[in-house]
Amino acid sequence: QKEVEQDPGPLSVPEGAIVSLNCTYSNSAFQYFMWYRQYSRKGPELLMYTYSSGNKEDGRFTAQVDKSSKYISLFIRDSQPSDSATYLCATTSGSARQLTFGSGTQLTVLP
Amino acid sequence: GAVVSQHPSRVICKSGTSVKIECRSLDFQATTMFWYRQFPKKSLMLMATSNEGSKATYEQGVEKDKFLINHASLTLSTLTVTSAHPEDSSFYICSARDPLDRALDTDTQYFGPGTRLTVL
Repeated sequence: QKEVEQDPGPLSVPEGAIVSLNCTYSNSAFQYFMWYRQYSRKGPELLMYTYSSGNKEDGRFTAQVDKSSKYISLFIRDSQPSDSATYLCATTSGSARQLTFGSGTQLTVLP
Repeated sequence: GAVVSQHPSRVICKSGTSVKIECRSLDFQATTMFWYRQFPKKSLMLMATSNEGSKATYEQGVEKDKFLINHASLTLSTLTVTSAHPEDSSFYICSARDPLDRALDTDTQYFGPGTRLTVL
């Protein structure tokens, strides 16, 4: 079993839709959770960072963490074609200082 | 956020040659950098952790003699793929931690744009 599981998709939605991206993790030691966005042939870009359970909002993006169920989500409201990319969840225990990535979900927002 | 650059962005070489990839932190000092490898439509695979002034720590299954890492300064780490073969063709990405990034509770990683290596 992988430490971080992520549905690889691909996921295709119409412009303006709400997108839900999800990951589950198995290691209770993971304390910090990140979402990265990666455009084709580019390096990952940090989108959201959360520590505690609950929601964190940044513009059209909301990151949600539920440590009790080991479930993390990223919601994108009013999705745009420019949001088309691969989204990677990542987590770390902090002390290990290495990120453990999900496999990435490929998202396409159709105009 | 912090900026990390990589050079070259793309390289094509013949089998048996060595290729050096540079990773630079442009506006911060990075005591630790990470090297990843990514296959098409796959996630990032950590190859090694590069520590300034000391030997790199390689992940299991990564040949340290094939993938030479040097972290000679606080802003530069290099990955040299020695005697490259077609199976080494991949997308190589580095990341760096900004230990002074107090906006976050823990050190996060900023990624370079990646280097696409094609070995003929």
